[in-house]
Amino acid sequence: KQEVTQIPAALSVPEGENLVLNCSFTDSAIYNLQWFRQDPGKGLTSLLLIQSSQREQTSGRLNASLDKSSGRSTLYIAASQPGDSATYLCAVRGYGQNFVFGPGTRLSVLP
Amino acid sequence: DAGVIQSPRHEVTEMGQEVTLRCKPISGHNSLFWYRQTMMRGLELLIYFNNNVPIDDSGMPEDRFSAKMPNASFSTLKIQPSEPRDSAVYFCASSLVLWAGETRRQEAQYFGPGTRLLVL
Repeated sequence: KQEVTQIPAALSVPEGENLVLNCSFTDSAIYNLQWFRQDPGKGLTSLLLIQSSQREQTSGRLNASLDKSSGRSTLYIAASQPGDSATYLCAVRGYGQNFVFGPGTRLSVLP
Repeated sequence: DAGVIQSPRHEVTEMGQEVTLRCKPISGHNSLFWYRQTMMRGLELLIYFNNNVPIDDSGMPEDRFSAKMPNASFSTLKIQPSEPRDSAVYFCASSLVLWAGETRRQEAQYFGPGTRLLVL
């Protein structure tokens, strides 16, 4: 059974810092991995999708990497801004389309 | 495109009542997912459809829950009868699955804003 964990559970940083969010999964037989952000009281916003054949994806100040063999993905946020404050979730898709979410990392970027 | 549309955005009902949540996926998407989010359990996949056909409903908590997708542009999630423990935010998401020969590619999922359900 796939299990997804995220470290840290919460993170508070001053504006401008570069930061890394971690996601670990137990079963490396994945189809893809997706990073989302969720703002309080709102739905999920897809940030980056990494297919199992890819090692990283970039979008603006965000970079996500995937190492299937070690069961890890990282989300790198450069030059953090207060608007980046949200909960970040990673989700792993297995070949049967079972989709398992991590518990999320709650990020606060202080002005 | 307007994105995934869900209605209602908020629903307050009394225990025992029937609740129907609605979802309109992004036009052209061929997969649709229903999720439930609670503080205790996080995000859980309830059921998903491919080409309007339910593929896996193992996440549906019990027989009180049912989901339908009568066509490519509409799906419902029904709870009958509702109970206080059903209180949660229910998300609908859609995505596109592409085939190139025998190679299947799953595109990103796009989520709706969710329906916040409170059962008293």
